[in-house]
Amino acid sequence: EPEVTQTPSHQVTQMGQEVILRCVPISNHLYFYWYRQILGQKVEFLVSFYNNEISEKSEIFDDQFSVERPDGSNFTLKIRSTKLEDSAMYFCASSRILYEQYFGPGTRLTVT
Amino acid sequence: GNSVTQMEGPVTLSEEAFLTINCTYTATGYPSLFWYVQYPGEGLQLLLKATKADDKGSNKGFEATYRKETTSFHLEKGSVQVSDSAVYFCALSEAAGNKLTFGGGTRVLVKP
Repeated sequence: EPEVTQTPSHQVTQMGQEVILRCVPISNHLYFYWYRQILGQKVEFLVSFYNNEISEKSEIFDDQFSVERPDGSNFTLKIRSTKLEDSAMYFCASSRILYEQYFGPGTRLTVT
Repeated sequence: GNSVTQMEGPVTLSEEAFLTINCTYTATGYPSLFWYVQYPGEGLQLLLKATKADDKGSNKGFEATYRKETTSFHLEKGSVQVSDSAVYFCALSEAAGNKLTFGGGTRVLVKP
């Protein structure tokens, strides 16, 4: 069964550094998303991406964040200058035109 | 804006007990409703969904009915197993391709 994959599974970085989180969505999906879950808190929407552009973004998704689909398979989330409060589990998801979003296993980002 | 409220956990049960997790929502339109499950150390998996009022979603012995009059989507299972121990998230989406709005999650622990 096709699945969403994410790399790395765990990323440790120092405050102020740039990080890139990578995702490979399911191949015939059209919509792509990033969510994050700070430890012990709700899963929060960050951004959705469709037809090679951002379709919606949350208040969390400020100028420090960017997304890209550099080729036909990868979908990346970049944080330009990480802060301590960016420490969280980041989930990528993808969906077809239907309602179901399929999530990857997540990347745990630790900012020290 | 949209919101989802679900009962706080943890919920601790014995094997073969009946499980109910309450979920209510606030939305401006007619959302689709979902339950996601997160097993320890894993990502979010879609458990079941309902896209219109009075629909019943079901999977793996779990059921939930979309109740528009009470804006609820309670999750039930008649006889839980130890393997059902996980965190369960109720979520909604306003339309296909739109972001998911999650509840806070309910941790369920099933003891043998």
